[in-house]
Amino acid sequence: DIVMTQSPDSLAVSLGETATINCKASQSLFYSSNGKNYLAWYQQKAGQPPKLLLHGASTREFGVPDRFSGSGSGTDFTLTISSLQVGDVAVYFCQQYFFSPYTFGQGTRLEVK
Amino acid sequence: QVQLHESGPEVVAPSGTLSLTCAVSGDSINNYFFFWIRRSAGKGLEWIGRVYVTGSTDYNPSLESRVTMSVDTPMNQISLNLRSVTAADTALYYCAATRANTEMVIEYWGQGSRVTVSS
Repeated sequence: DIVMTQSPDSLAVSLGETATINCKASQSLFYSSNGKNYLAWYQQKAGQPPKLLLHGASTREFGVPDRFSGSGSGTDFTLTISSLQVGDVAVYFCQQYFFSPYTFGQGTRLEVK
Repeated sequence: QVQLHESGPEVVAPSGTLSLTCAVSGDSINNYFFFWIRRSAGKGLEWIGRVYVTGSTDYNPSLESRVTMSVDTPMNQISLNLRSVTAADTALYYCAATRANTEMVIEYWGQGSRVTVSS
C-alpha cells in the first residue's frame, strides 16, 4: 500500500495568516503519460463528512475559495490556506488515488491561534 | 446531484457481522462508483473498498477476507457486510460516491453511520 504521511499533526494559525499542510507519499503519484498527480485534499469539520477541496494536487473543486491552493508533484505535496478564517477550522486529509487501496494521510488538525 | 444515507445497527457483537445499507437518491445509481470509508479514533480515514453497478468490486487487502459490497439497483441501495468484527472495527462508516466518468476521488459523502463493536 502507498503510505501517506502528513505534517504537522496539528497547527494553530492566527486569523488572516497562512496555514501550510504537507503530505508525503511513499511512492510517486505522478503519471507521466498524462502529466497528472493523483492526489486529493479533503476538509472535515466537526460533525460533518469530509468535503473534497482539490484533486490532481492543485485543481480546486467548484465553489472552493481560491484561498485554498495545492502544489507539489511526485511524492511531496502542500495544501496552503491563505487569509485564514474561523470557518477553516477543521481536520484536513490528503488522499492518493493512484493505486488501490486509495489511502489517506492521518489528518492535520487546524485551529485558530 | 446524488444524496447518500447510511443505515444499520449501532451496536454489533464481537465476532458478528456488521451490515450497513446506503440509500441512493437524486440521480441514477448507474452514474456512480460507490465507496465505503470509515473513520476511527486510532486509524483516521480508512478506504474499505469500491463497488460499481456491474457488481465489480475492489477491496482494501487488509479487509478483503471479511468484506462484501453489493449494489441493489431496483432498490437504489448499496450494501456493506463486514464479518468477524472486533473492537478494532468500531468506527463511523461513510457511504460515498464519485461520478463514473471522473477521477476516483470522493465527491459525495453520506453523513455516516456510527457502529460500535461491543457485547
